[in-house]
Amino acid sequence: EPEVTQTPSHQVTQMGQEVILRCVPISNHLYFYWYRQILGQKVEFLVSFYNNEISEKSEIFDDQFSVERPDGSNFTLKIRSTKLEDSAMYFCASSEAGGTGPWDEQFFGPGTRLTVL
Amino acid sequence: QKEVEQDPGPLSVPEGAIVSLNCTYSNSAFQYFMWYRQYSRKGPELLMYTYSSGNKEDGRFTAQVDKSSKYISLFIRDSQPSDSATYLCAMSLGAGNQFYFGTGTSLTVIP
Repeated sequence: EPEVTQTPSHQVTQMGQEVILRCVPISNHLYFYWYRQILGQKVEFLVSFYNNEISEKSEIFDDQFSVERPDGSNFTLKIRSTKLEDSAMYFCASSEAGGTGPWDEQFFGPGTRLTVL
Repeated sequence: QKEVEQDPGPLSVPEGAIVSLNCTYSNSAFQYFMWYRQYSRKGPELLMYTYSSGNKEDGRFTAQVDKSSKYISLFIRDSQPSDSATYLCAMSLGAGNQFYFGTGTSLTVIP
């Protein structure tokens, strides 16, 4: 069964450093998402991406964050200058049609745990 | 902003029990209501979704949505130890829109 994969599974970085989290969405999917989950808190939406453009973003997704689809398979989330409060589990998700039909399931990856020291 | 509220538990039940999981929400514009299951160190996995109000059944799982009360439920019949996981409710304004998640309820089914 196709699945979303994410690397690395755990990333440790120093405050102020740049990190790039990588995701490989399901191959025929066109819509991509990043969510994060701070320990003990809710899963929160960050951004959605389609056709090389951001479709929707939350207030969490400020200028420190950026997303990119550098090639035909990867989808990345970059945090330019990490802060302690960026420590969280980051989930990538993808969907086939992004809501153009009556329903469109978002498939989630296993997550990358980011620890900022 | 507390869009979606969910009791975090933990909830512990004996094998075979009926489990009831619930969420309340404040935004009456939500149209899609989802239940995800999340095992430790894994991403959320969709269990069921419901559009607007009503019930939906899938095997041992039943999802209910009451839009008038802004209340959704997931029932698990004949619970199994393999059902032990965290259950997340999620909602969206439309298909493809961002999901708003509850905090998740941790469930343990004891053999």
